[in-house]
Amino acid sequence: DAGVIQSPRHEVTEMGQEVTLRCKPISGHDYLFWYRQTMMRGLELLIYFNNNVPIDDSGMPEDRFSAKMPNASFSTLKIQPSEPRDSAVYFCASSFVEETQYFGPGTRLLVL
Amino acid sequence: KNEVEQSPQNLTAQEGEFITINCSYSVGISALHWLQQHPGGGIVSLFMLSSGKKKHGRLIATINIQEKHSSLHITASHPRDSAVYICAVEPNNNDMRFGAGTRLTVKP
Repeated sequence: DAGVIQSPRHEVTEMGQEVTLRCKPISGHDYLFWYRQTMMRGLELLIYFNNNVPIDDSGMPEDRFSAKMPNASFSTLKIQPSEPRDSAVYFCASSFVEETQYFGPGTRLLVL
Repeated sequence: KNEVEQSPQNLTAQEGEFITINCSYSVGISALHWLQQHPGGGIVSLFMLSSGKKKHGRLIATINIQEKHSSLHITASHPRDSAVYICAVEPNNNDMRFGAGTRLTVKP
């Protein structure tokens, strides 16, 4: 398996633009997690899905953030409108049941 | 006070040394994770444990649920072990919480 795949790897956008981050989990995994990492706040869990259903989105910072998982092999994290403080590295991870999580390479987002 | 405290924040060791990184937490948890983040930014999950001890190669992780404490040990450290090690806990009925990380540098 190729592991968790994220795209794009880097994204530079202007304030106010919509940003969509994509994640393909490892085949067969039933949990998918979205994390954000900044220098100031470290790693934070934003939301996670089980069998494509959002279980806990309490970590999502505000209404500008939304995440979907239309099927078992694809998830998106959308920011609309983006702001400079959203600049961070966004990681996606997946796991089978509640075991070891496998992390994607991350998407480095810069909002100007 | 952060719910997850790691120590030390920074650690420099000589190749071959035995290394210990500590993690203390203040909430009841269902599991604890040790993550490794390489200089390039990639994150690897090293261990997930809820009791006792786990070993993988030169890495050993222990947890004491009563004392709310976990340690990550690296035996015969090597420069390629240089990374940031992050402790993360799964509180009962709550979001995962992360420590600030321990930056390890192993010199040849």
